Amino acid sequence: NFMLTQPHSVSESPGKTVTISCTRSSGTIASNYVHWYQQRPGSAPRNVIYEDNQRPSGVPDRFAGSIDNSSNSASLTISGLMTEDEADYYCQSYDSTTQVFGGGTKLTVL
Amino acid sequence: QVQLQESGPGLVKASQTLSLTCTVSGDSISSGGYYWSWIRQHPGKGLEWIGYIYYSGNTFYNPSLKSRITISLDTSKNHFSLKLSSVTAADTAVYYCVRERWDWSFDLWGRGTLVTVSS
Repeated sequence: NFMLTQPHSVSESPGKTVTISCTRSSGTIASNYVHWYQQRPGSAPRNVIYEDNQRPSGVPDRFAGSIDNSSNSASLTISGLMTEDEADYYCQSYDSTTQVFGGGTKLTVL
Repeated sequence: QVQLQESGPGLVKASQTLSLTCTVSGDSISSGGYYWSWIRQHPGKGLEWIGYIYYSGNTFYNPSLKSRITISLDTSKNHFSLKLSSVTAADTAVYYCVRERWDWSFDLWGRGTLVTVSS
């Protein structure tokens, strides 16, 4: 099995840009899609990026996903930060035996 | 509009079996194209995938929970169910039923239900 490692927390000011990383411990990051979820307090998670860099309908284009083979990691970048973006963010991927979530990153918009 | 709704006891005694049902409205489980999953979240913690079932009845479970899990479906009632046996306090969590796409992303979530295991 592999792990996905995320920073525990990040913070940034409204209007700025923040990037959350997700590093795969073994296996190639590009070998399986990475998906991202936003979870606001008291709510169920919501998919914000699928298939590495695709946005579901209704997700603003301020959200972008990418893959970096050199660091074996995926990233979620949120630009033009708004207070409503304050939430926990989780990356997720899989292999032939299981599906794995990262530990989550708490985004504070202050 | 497709919706998923979890139901079941909010309190289970240790060593017993946790049973939850997810009722799907607005879509038919039998139509194919999606997997029907369970995911849990321990209080204040991250997400853990439990397993899924396809309309054909094929299942795929988290290896770390496999020995205790059964996921089944009832197409006549358009719902699928989770059974987790021999529960302990470590199984206390919010349990979500979720629709999973072919690319293994989770695109539609129920609201979740808190299950507490008591001693």
